[in-house]
Parts: sequence; C-alpha cells; structure tokens
Amino acid sequence: GAVVSQHPSRVICKSGTSVKIECRSLDFQATTMFWYRQFPKQSLMLMATSNEGSKATYEQGVEKDKFLINHASLTLSTLTVTSAHPEDSSFYICSARDRAGLGQETQYFGPGTRLLVL
Amino acid sequence: GENVEQHPSTLSVQEGDSAVIKCTYSDSASNYFPWYKQELGKRPQLIIDIRSNVGEKKDQRIAVTLNKTAKHFSLHITETQPEDSAVYFCAARGLRGYNKLIFGAGTRLAVHP
Repeated sequence: GAVVSQHPSRVICKSGTSVKIECRSLDFQATTMFWYRQFPKQSLMLMATSNEGSKATYEQGVEKDKFLINHASLTLSTLTVTSAHPEDSSFYICSARDRAGLGQETQYFGPGTRLLVL
Repeated sequence: GENVEQHPSTLSVQEGDSAVIKCTYSDSASNYFPWYKQELGKRPQLIIDIRSNVGEKKDQRIAVTLNKTAKHFSLHITETQPEDSAVYFCAARGLRGYNKLIFGAGTRLAVHP
C-alpha cells in the first residue's frame, strides 16, 4: 500500500523557536496533503489542507501565520510551527491522498510527530 | 458545519464477542466513509471504507453498513480478538473543502481474553 513518512518522529524544543515537520509520500504523488493535530485520547483535528503549488487552506481557528504550510512538490509538504509555545505541544500527523485515477479518496497517514515545547 | 458523531466512546467486550460502533453525519452530500484503527502512539490505519452507492461491505471479520436516509453508518467486528483492541475512528467525506475528511471522536475498544 501507499506509504507516507514524517520527519522528525519526535522533537523537543525551547519556547520561542520554530520547528519544521516534513511529510512525504514515498511511492505515490499527492496533490493534496492534510495536517492534523491530535491531543491525548482525542480525535484528529484537521488544521489545514495543503495543495501542491498553491496556498494552504486553514480550518477555522487555526492561525496561518503560526502554522506555516508549504507544499513544494507532489511528494512533500512541510509544516512549520513558528515561535512555538508549550501549548503547541501535541502529536502532529499528516496524511496524503493518492492523485492516481479518478475518484481516489483514500487518505494514508504518516506516523506522526510528537512535539514537546519546553 | 459538517459534523460526525461517534458512539460509544468506550467499548469493552469479551474475546469472541461482536463489537459495533455507530456514527452519524450531518452533511447529506457526504459520499465516502472510511474507518481507521489507531493503536497507541501509532498512525491511523485504514481498515475498511464504503462509498455512498453501496449499503454494506464486508472484509473477513469486519463489516460496515451505511444508511444514507438516516445518515448513519456502523462498523461491525465479529469474533473479536485481543489484537483488535485500539481506538477506532469513523470519518465522512463531503464534497466541499478539497474533499476533507471529518472525523468522529473515536471509540476505545478493549477486547478481554
């Protein structure tokens, strides 16, 4: 099946610094990638939709200047948490949708990145 | 806005019993309904999905049913095993907003030997 990787898997940073998380589709092309945030024992909260070659679409309440998304190619999207604060600590998961064929809907998830801001 | 409700939030069964998780969705235009299984600290894994032109789909011990009129769909796991223990998420995909998935709150399933 389709494979999505994320890097890093875990990161600890100081408050005020920026952190970049990469999401890659390894064996398929993804015109659309999604970034989710998940708190312990809670559901997946969609933060933004990343489209190759265009600006990301952010969900209501998500600060676009705080969470910068870049989808530079059909296999790579990045999420940068700028000026991170302890409340940004969370599990960030990306997913990618295979563009091959009409009506492809399946989303494949990356392994997630656990961010801890001290 | 779009919403997906999922019940129950926790479910405990004995090994060999069946487990049923139910979801309702608000957007009548939704046409795709996947189910994901997430083990602790790991990524959600797609276990089964159903499209709106189908009422039921089965894959070994797992089945999903869809009632478009009532706007609800259910996951059925038969002959449960301890390795089925995980959090299960339902989702619905609408036709707006780049076809994003709206997830339910999740069901924590525990299968006791």
